[in-house]
Amino acid sequence: AAGVIQSPRHLIKEKRETATLKCYPIPRHDTVYWYQQGPGQDPQFLISFYEKMQSDKGSIPDRFSAQQFSDYHSELNMSSLELGDSALYFCASSAGMNGGYTFGSGTRLTVV
Amino acid sequence: DQQVKQNSPSLSVQEGRISILNCDYTNSMFDYFLWYKKYPAEGPTFLISISSIKDKNEDGRFTVFLNKSAKHLSLHIVPSQPGDSAVYFCAATREGGSQGNLIFGKGTKLSVKP
Repeated sequence: AAGVIQSPRHLIKEKRETATLKCYPIPRHDTVYWYQQGPGQDPQFLISFYEKMQSDKGSIPDRFSAQQFSDYHSELNMSSLELGDSALYFCASSAGMNGGYTFGSGTRLTVV
Repeated sequence: DQQVKQNSPSLSVQEGRISILNCDYTNSMFDYFLWYKKYPAEGPTFLISISSIKDKNEDGRFTVFLNKSAKHLSLHIVPSQPGDSAVYFCAATREGGSQGNLIFGKGTKLSVKP
């Protein structure tokens, strides 16, 4: 069965650069969530979208932005990268805002 | 302030025995709780969930117990198998609300020894 696809799997960027992470939800899932997991930390909710509209916002820095497109895939744009942005970024999708969650395998971002 | 707490960072259990992973929460608005299992370099995988209208939910070897008055839930794995070795995250959300984001605990690393 199709799962949540995230790309790229690994990304290395320098400080002050920009990065774009992509998330392709399970077909017919209309809700996407982004989470950030630092080393040894629990996943922290960043932002979510339902039907292409932002539905909730968590601890997402102002340097980050995200959107959900007409095909329901989502992109997380990160600018002015800092060393502390190095983390695993997970995307999850669900059918509706209260549906079961399925996570992607994550993108490991390393900022050097 | 951590709203979902997993106070044991690690747990070691012998194969065939019971594994009990604990989770406490502080926000009384939470009404839906989930357990995820995570292997290194993979995303969390959903295991089992429980709504606040129940106090127990069972699925094969996995059982989740919820004690609302104590704001405590636990995951029981019986019998434990070496393949169960992973990090287990407890998560909570407000199912009845318009927001579906999960609040995670910090995880408990379970090691099941043959």
